[in-house]
Amino acid sequence: GQQVMQIPQYQHVQEGEDFTTYCNSSTTLSNIQWYKQRPGGHPVFLIQLVKSGEVKKQKRLTFQFGEAKKNSSLHITATQTTDVGTYFCMFSGGYNKLIFGAGTRLAVHP
Amino acid sequence: DGGITQSPKYLFRKEGQNVTLSCEQNLNHDAMYWYRQDPGQGLRLIYYSQIVNDFQKGDIAEGYSVSREKKESFPLTVTSAQKNPTAFYLCASSIGGLAGWSEGYNEQFFGPGTRLTVL
Repeated sequence: GQQVMQIPQYQHVQEGEDFTTYCNSSTTLSNIQWYKQRPGGHPVFLIQLVKSGEVKKQKRLTFQFGEAKKNSSLHITATQTTDVGTYFCMFSGGYNKLIFGAGTRLAVHP
Repeated sequence: DGGITQSPKYLFRKEGQNVTLSCEQNLNHDAMYWYRQDPGQGLRLIYYSQIVNDFQKGDIAEGYSVSREKKESFPLTVTSAQKNPTAFYLCASSIGGLAGWSEGYNEQFFGPGTRLTVL
């Protein structure tokens, strides 16, 4: 069956350092979404990537979709304490299947 | 304000009891979803509804049941058959659903969640 790997599982950074999380699928994806979940909160949609090689930016966040549409990354430049949370990728795995990555938990030390 | 609400926020249940979690949305979304989240894990799909009076099982539907009698409402019942029900339950909705996933319009809006604890 379709599998997803999201790495790293945890990342601790000093405020101002960069952060990257990666999502890798075993099969080609039609599109991929990224969500952020603050501690104790619910997931909030960040972005959807559709095209091969697509790059989208939201202020300090840069999202990429691989050329083969099998992997994606989220990069945060100069992290801030407000970036703390868990970042998930999500995609459709076929009929009635939505697959979430296990998430990367980001801790930012001031 | 438009949004999606879940109640209660915290729920305690004795073993052997059924319990129903509420999910209401006023976003006029066709699709609604129920997910389960366990500590340190990603979300897993329990049930999905593309439209009123229709719903489909997700990956972990055993021990759960749903109904979709109204567009706005998608309640989840956790039955006594669910062997390990203690978890964080999240409801979500989207304009489009799984049927037309590649077309987009499937950004998911999540409710605040219900933490269920079985005593």
